[in-house]
Amino acid sequence: DAKTTQPTSMDCAEGRAANLPCNHSTISGNEYVYWYRQIHSQGPQYIIHGLKNNETNEMASLIITEDRKSSTLILPHATLRDTAVYYCIAGGKLIFGQGTELSVKP
Amino acid sequence: DTEVTQTPKHLVMGMTNKKSLKCEQHMGHRAMYWYKQKAKKPPELMFVYSYEKLSINESVPSRFSPECPNSSLLNLHLHALQPEDSALYLCASSPRDSSFMNTGELFFGEGSRLTVL
Repeated sequence: DAKTTQPTSMDCAEGRAANLPCNHSTISGNEYVYWYRQIHSQGPQYIIHGLKNNETNEMASLIITEDRKSSTLILPHATLRDTAVYYCIAGGKLIFGQGTELSVKP
Repeated sequence: DTEVTQTPKHLVMGMTNKKSLKCEQHMGHRAMYWYKQKAKKPPELMFVYSYEKLSINESVPSRFSPECPNSSLLNLHLHALQPEDSALYLCASSPRDSSFMNTGELFFGEGSRLTVL
């Protein structure tokens, strides 16, 4: 699995888009990128995953750069309930990195 | 049913006790996982079972002993634990195991919070 690097923390205003970056420069060609989030004291929750193409679902959008060395998770209209730690994972072994603590503020 | 159920939610045990954590899923998933999570740290992978066979052991001490009695159940047997083993233990399942590049979505339980005195 590739190592991932994420900012330790980020703030976002409620109603605005939250853009969470992740660097995975050592990712191999067939490794997927996964995003999970963990709200305090709960189990992690799957958000989205992708290989090469951008992906969108009801929760978020995933933008993967053409060289696949980085990706961005976009929460289009952040709410207070989106406050959580967001983890980017590269590879099928599902090893969690340090994550980004996102605080959505009113 | 898209749930992973873990019991007990909380467990307090002494260093000489033997206890078990249990995990159950009825989604037909063939891969099941144990993670350990210390406060303010990311989950750490411990074990992966694929088709009821242990496929990954991340160099976990032998005082933790996993067991997969059938495709729906996963146990973690605990014996002679240390206070530093106190943590949240998370179980998860996925439709495909890590031998596939695309494991699909991992479904997590709410965890069992373990305190070792």
